[in-house]
Amino acid sequence: GAVVSQHPSRVICKSGTSVKIECRSLDFQATTMFWYRQFPKQSLMLMATSNEGSKATYEQGVEKDKFLINHASLTLSTLTVTSAHPEDSSFYICSARDPGTDPYEQYFGPGTRLTVT
Amino acid sequence: KQEVTQIPAALSVPEGENLVLNCSFTDSAIYNLQWFRQDPGKGLTSLLLIQSSQREQTSGRLNASLDKSSGRSTLYIAASQPGDSATYLCAVNTGGFKTIFGAGTRLFVKA
Repeated sequence: GAVVSQHPSRVICKSGTSVKIECRSLDFQATTMFWYRQFPKQSLMLMATSNEGSKATYEQGVEKDKFLINHASLTLSTLTVTSAHPEDSSFYICSARDPGTDPYEQYFGPGTRLTVT
Repeated sequence: KQEVTQIPAALSVPEGENLVLNCSFTDSAIYNLQWFRQDPGKGLTSLLLIQSSQREQTSGRLNASLDKSSGRSTLYIAASQPGDSATYLCAVNTGGFKTIFGAGTRLFVKA
């Protein structure tokens, strides 16, 4: 099946710094990728939809200037958490759709644990 | 607005028991429904995907059913094993690019 990777798997950063998370589709081209965040014992909440070659679409309540998304190629999307604060500590998961499959099944990355100290 | 609810929130069963996890959704206009497994601190593993035109899907000891008209899906796990212990998430694709997740059921299978 299709594989989506994320890097890094864990990151610890100091408050006020920025951190970048990469999401890659390894064996397919993903025109659309999605970024989710998950708080402990809660479900996944969609943050934004990342479209290759265009601006990301953010969900209501998500600060686009804080969570910068760049879908630079058909296999790579990045999420940059700018000026991170402890409340940004969370589990971030990306997913991608393989447009070559039916019925547009989503493939999820392994997630990135962000801890802001 | 589509909402997905999973019951129970947590479940503890002895090894070997058959069990059913429930998922309900408020808007029956869905494209597909997917069941995932999530181990602690890990990403999601897709278990079964049911298209809106299908009634059920099976994979090994897992069987997922879909009743779109009533807004319900069940995940049946036969002969549960300690290795099945995880959180099970139900997710509904509304036909656009949005997937709405339930809060999950935390399953613990006791040896």
